[in-house]
Amino acid sequence: AQSVAQPEDQVNVAEGNPLTVKCTYSVSGNPYLFWYVQYPNRGLQFLLKYITGDNLVKGSYGFEAEFNKSQTSFHLKKPSALVSDSALYFCAVSRPAGGATNKLIFGTGTLLAVQP
Amino acid sequence: DAGVIQSPRHEVTEMGQEVTLRCKPISGHNSLFWYRQTMMRGLELLIYFNNNVPIDDSGMPEDRFSAKMPNASFSTLKIQPSEPRDSAVYFCASSSPGVSGNTIYFGEGSWLTVV
Repeated sequence: AQSVAQPEDQVNVAEGNPLTVKCTYSVSGNPYLFWYVQYPNRGLQFLLKYITGDNLVKGSYGFEAEFNKSQTSFHLKKPSALVSDSALYFCAVSRPAGGATNKLIFGTGTLLAVQP
Repeated sequence: DAGVIQSPRHEVTEMGQEVTLRCKPISGHNSLFWYRQTMMRGLELLIYFNNNVPIDDSGMPEDRFSAKMPNASFSTLKIQPSEPRDSAVYFCASSSPGVSGNTIYFGEGSWLTVV
């Protein structure tokens, strides 16, 4: 069965400092990995994904994530945090499904709080 | 692109009433997903369709919940009768390997309160 773990309920970081939001996964076969962000009272917005290829993936708003197969991790990073990055971040995993998209399984979410 | 469109955005209803949530996926997408978000349970997949056919409905809580996709551009999630514990945000999402590269795009959600 697929599963995703986000071990931190909340991450606090000062503006301008680097940030990391952790994610580990469990899935049979090759995973598709995703990060989404949710601002208050809004839907989930896609940030970035790893399907295949380069382990370092760059996404929206200056975020990046590194796929580490041996550690089954896909941590989200940003070199310099902004107050506007404060939001709820979700990691998700799915598997290839041929001619259609397979379901996404989400982690529990990590609340990122960036202090000015 | 208009994105995934959901209606209503907000609904308050009385226990026992029927609730119908609607979704228009992104044009060209052949997969559609219904998720529910609550504080207690996080994001749960209720059901998903590929090419208008339900593939996995194991997340549907009980028989009070039903979902249909009569064509490629429309889906409904119905709760009958509704109960206070159904209060949640219901998200519809869509995707296609060819069009979106397996990225699933979400609507803004339908915020349901059952009193």
